[in-house]
Amino acid sequence: NAGVTQTPKFQVLKTGQSMTLQCAQDMNHNSMYWYRQDPGMGLRLIYYSASEGTTDKGEVPNGYNVSRLNKREFSLRLESAAPSQTSVYFCASSATGTDTGELFFGEGSRLTVL
Amino acid sequence: SQKIEQNSEALNIQEGKTATLTCNYTNYSPAYLQWYRQDPGRGPVFLLLIRENEKEKRKERLKVTFDTTLKQSLFHITASQPADSATYLCAPDPPNTGFQKLVFGTGTRLLVSP
Repeated sequence: NAGVTQTPKFQVLKTGQSMTLQCAQDMNHNSMYWYRQDPGMGLRLIYYSASEGTTDKGEVPNGYNVSRLNKREFSLRLESAAPSQTSVYFCASSATGTDTGELFFGEGSRLTVL
Repeated sequence: SQKIEQNSEALNIQEGKTATLTCNYTNYSPAYLQWYRQDPGRGPVFLLLIRENEKEKRKERLKVTFDTTLKQSLFHITASQPADSATYLCAPDPPNTGFQKLVFGTGTRLLVSP
């Protein structure tokens, strides 16, 4: 029972390089999310996808793009990485119509931009 | 803008005591509030949801209160154990977002010593 799987777990980039963080869930959830977590800032929503084929901006979308490839997969792309994007990135998913709105998180991807 | 405050200082308590964590929010009125646990290097894990009309919710050794007048939620762990040591995040749900745009606090680290 994998839940939410993120790859890679660690990545070091140079300023200006691009990369894509991959996320897949096996719980048949409609909604998926990308958060970043920084010391003293808490989890901040970057983008979310309420259902396959839709994406919406969260609190801090600048510098990122997302793709909801299918119901299972939601990727986050950094086109030109900047040191300010050094962070731990979490993907999450949730089912719609539940009583709790519980988010299921992946283990995180730690990104360092030099 | 919406603001969530959790005590940034770690809470140190002895095993067997009750731990009480505070979550204060300003500039909005959430209908729901979630609590998550996060262990070092791991993604957050959902613990409880409380609704604005529920005042108090219990789950095993956990108790959560929700005071919409004070704009505050309290999270209690009774008979605490070293295994309860973790960071606890609160996440009030902004109105009319259907859990799609949860806003997380920075979390409070709890340390339970034997």
